[in-house]
Amino acid sequence: AQTVTQSQPEMSVQEAETVTLSCTYDTSESDYYLFWYKQPPSRQMILVIRQEAYKQQNATENRFSVNFQKAAKSFSLKISDSQLGDAAMYFCAYRGSNTDKLIFGTGTRLQVFP
Amino acid sequence: EAGVAQSPRYKIIEKRQSVAFWCNPISGHATLYWYQQILGQGPKLLIQFQNNGVVDDSQLPKDRFSAERLKGVDSTLKIQPAKLEDSAVYLCASTLHPTQEMQYFGPGTRLTVT
Repeated sequence: AQTVTQSQPEMSVQEAETVTLSCTYDTSESDYYLFWYKQPPSRQMILVIRQEAYKQQNATENRFSVNFQKAAKSFSLKISDSQLGDAAMYFCAYRGSNTDKLIFGTGTRLQVFP
Repeated sequence: EAGVAQSPRYKIIEKRQSVAFWCNPISGHATLYWYQQILGQGPKLLIQFQNNGVVDDSQLPKDRFSAERLKGVDSTLKIQPAKLEDSAVYLCASTLHPTQEMQYFGPGTRLTVT
């Protein structure tokens, strides 16, 4: 069975600085998708960034980028120029290529200090 | 475009009582998901609908949980009777079709069972 592990329950960063959130996963599949979701205190979860496993190039969305290491089964999220609005729970999620079922990690709470 | 709507936002009940949650997905979205998010954990899929049919309910505790999507649009999730361990946030999400990568989440219903 696939599993997703986020080993950092909490992280903090100063405004304008850079922070990296870690995620590892376990799967026997060769083709799959990985996601980072943001869940602000209002609880409406939104997609931050996604990565297809067959793509070697790391995904980037504005200030958000990932470091995808397929062999190591690692998928970290880097947030550059952190803003107060980035404070939230961040969930790493996995989806196999033949299913649309998302498997989530336990989340990392990010605090941003002015 | 209106997002996924859920109600109520908060509910407090005593154990052994029953409760129902309602979800209205984004217009035209054929696939609807119900997740359970226990405090400190990531969301866990309870049930997935494709139109009005159940695709996956393998993690739904069927002795007490039920869900329906009779007309293939909005959906209700019911718990009867509730247990203390059912305290969680219940999230609804939808996608246009199963292969679409992005799931759109609602704000969730926070259930407290006392």
